[in-house]
Amino acid sequence: DVKVTQSSRYLVKRTGEKVFLECVQDMDHENMFWYRQDPGLGLRLIYFSYDVKMKEKGDIPEGYSVSREKKERFSLILESASTNQTSMYLCASSLAGRHPYEQYFGPGTRLTVT
Amino acid sequence: AQTVTQSQPEMSVQEAETVTLSCTYDTSESDYYLFWYKQPPSRQMILVIRQEAYKQQNATENRFSVNFQKAAKSFSLKISDSQLGDAAMYFCAYRLTNFGNEKLTFGTGTRLTIIP
Repeated sequence: DVKVTQSSRYLVKRTGEKVFLECVQDMDHENMFWYRQDPGLGLRLIYFSYDVKMKEKGDIPEGYSVSREKKERFSLILESASTNQTSMYLCASSLAGRHPYEQYFGPGTRLTVT
Repeated sequence: AQTVTQSQPEMSVQEAETVTLSCTYDTSESDYYLFWYKQPPSRQMILVIRQEAYKQQNATENRFSVNFQKAAKSFSLKISDSQLGDAAMYFCAYRLTNFGNEKLTFGTGTRLTIIP
């Protein structure tokens, strides 16, 4: 069974704090993704990585950065958290290639910035 | 840029009945993949069904099937014999086939309620 885990289910941070969200997958997947989920907006891609140390911006990268030092771990960093970053954050992973591979999702981190 | 539209924010269906969720998308590509994902309350998102655009045959997975109309850019999900466990948010998603560009573009979701 593929497992994608995220470091926290719920997180409360103050405006201006640096926030780290961690994601780990155990299936040796090449691709990893960070999405943000907001009501009425669906899931929007923040960043993705197709290999260690490789990253690509998604649709809403502003205010975020990522790190992938090991294949199984993909971190999302909010350099200076703001209230408009209050949201549900979902991590996902998948195999890479020209095939409709399934993305496997973590349970999500609900982040509140006050 | 590709966009995915789900025009039904909420749907409800009686248990054991059939329901169809709508999805349209906009793309200039001829080769792509389409997916339906399900997000049950407080549970992880899981894949329901997938379709390759070059295949004319509609995908089916047990009680779930799609109606893929490529010319109309429409990809609806039909759930037959609805069960209480089908209650969830359903997201339609699109992906290019290129290696290295495997990100999903999601619609805004449809919340499905099953009425006992």
